Amino acid sequence: DQQVKQNSPSLSVQEGRISILNCDYTNSMFDYFLWYKKYPAEGPTFLISISSIKDKNEDGRFTVFLNKSAKHLSLHIVPSQPGDSAVYFCAPKGGGSEKLVFGKGTKLTVNP
Amino acid sequence: NAGVTQTPKFRVLKTGQSMTLLCAQDMNHEYMYWYRQDPGMGLRLIHYSVGEGTTAKGEVPDGYNVSRLKKQNFLLGLESAAPSQTSVYFCASSYSRAGELFFGEGSRLTVL
Repeated sequence: DQQVKQNSPSLSVQEGRISILNCDYTNSMFDYFLWYKKYPAEGPTFLISISSIKDKNEDGRFTVFLNKSAKHLSLHIVPSQPGDSAVYFCAPKGGGSEKLVFGKGTKLTVNP
Repeated sequence: NAGVTQTPKFRVLKTGQSMTLLCAQDMNHEYMYWYRQDPGMGLRLIHYSVGEGTTAKGEVPDGYNVSRLKKQNFLLGLESAAPSQTSVYFCASSYSRAGELFFGEGSRLTVL
């Protein structure tokens, strides 16, 4: 039973355009949502997060939107750059748990 | 500043052999985690620790044991390796329950 779903295994966009990566979750106890970025042969690195008390968090080219009623969050990257090509994982936590629950990831390819 | 270091980075085992993966962090973090990543499966939590001397089971603990004798180290053991344990293993640490995870570069294990 997947608590976190990233339904698009892959996404391809042109350099300079917007990339939108989506994540759906089922556990209403989740109250903190993180996005991680992973390059091949490297460990995941933290990208951006959002608390359930907010509906938007922005950091430079990266913005995360949270829709609690729909149990949906999205990561927007604008403008997209070739260096953004990586696998992006949605990882929420909550309910007092120390554990992050990772989605299966979306592989983003930004074409020059 | 090393962060999270995993050894070894690569290992090939025969079915039934045992081995230990070592994770060391120099950030004085309380929380440490072991994940495995398999194609199309995202990252799945094997075991974790909320402090020196403590361990707890994650999502896929069977076939693995862990120990946290020192705060900076978290060991993952395979007593009798099986081909199903062929995977990339990631160690991570965080400074608090709500904190972001810092990952090591991964250890690729192949069980023949």
